[in-house]
Amino acid sequence: GAGVSQSPRYKVTKRGQDVALRCDPISGHVSLYWYRQALGQGPEFLTYFNYEAQQDKSGLPNDRFSAERPEGSISTLTIQRTEQRDSAMYRCASSLAGYEQYFGPGTRLTVT
Amino acid sequence: GQQVMQIPQYQHVQEGEDFTTYCNSSTTLSNIQWYKQRPGGHPVFLIQLVKSGEVKKQKRLTFQFGEAKKNSSLHITATQTTDVGTYFCAGLSSLETSYDKVIFGPGTSLSVIP
Repeated sequence: GAGVSQSPRYKVTKRGQDVALRCDPISGHVSLYWYRQALGQGPEFLTYFNYEAQQDKSGLPNDRFSAERPEGSISTLTIQRTEQRDSAMYRCASSLAGYEQYFGPGTRLTVT
Repeated sequence: GQQVMQIPQYQHVQEGEDFTTYCNSSTTLSNIQWYKQRPGGHPVFLIQLVKSGEVKKQKRLTFQFGEAKKNSSLHITATQTTDVGTYFCAGLSSLETSYDKVIFGPGTSLSVIP
């Protein structure tokens, strides 16, 4: 594809439900990043992968958050037992290792 | 952990005026990147600086990396309405073992009054 895609673009879920957010990076990009961005703030690092290996997950807020990239391409960020404080824009980015990051359009998550 | 700060948080300028945003890191950086995010959009890469004291220009935009590699600045000459958006710096700490993990600053939101 031409760029990074994310789905769904919008997700409204009830508190306590699990959600899975998908990221399809640019073909051939080694690194994939997940960020959370609150309104008026910069992207907050959550985790990143090189190929299928999760290199750093220090930004995941708690153990309800997890991410995987099993084949080194598409990645899924899963939030279990969602809470209202999880409401935010979740952004994915991909890059050739060490170079500029290309961001997707984001998934706007609303937990009611 | 590493912290990246930016000032000012907001800047309103008259079209044609100059604009500068400053980025400061709590740790020495291996490199620094700058991104622009238009309202309702996603961050878009502008440039990467690697060397101490490096200066790069893109048309009306001038980027500088400090000698100590702990700070950076973005200067826009003669702003235009197309410059509206939020400018983020993103730094890779030289102390970071996760060599691709960059930390974004909170951004400077630029408004241009026509």
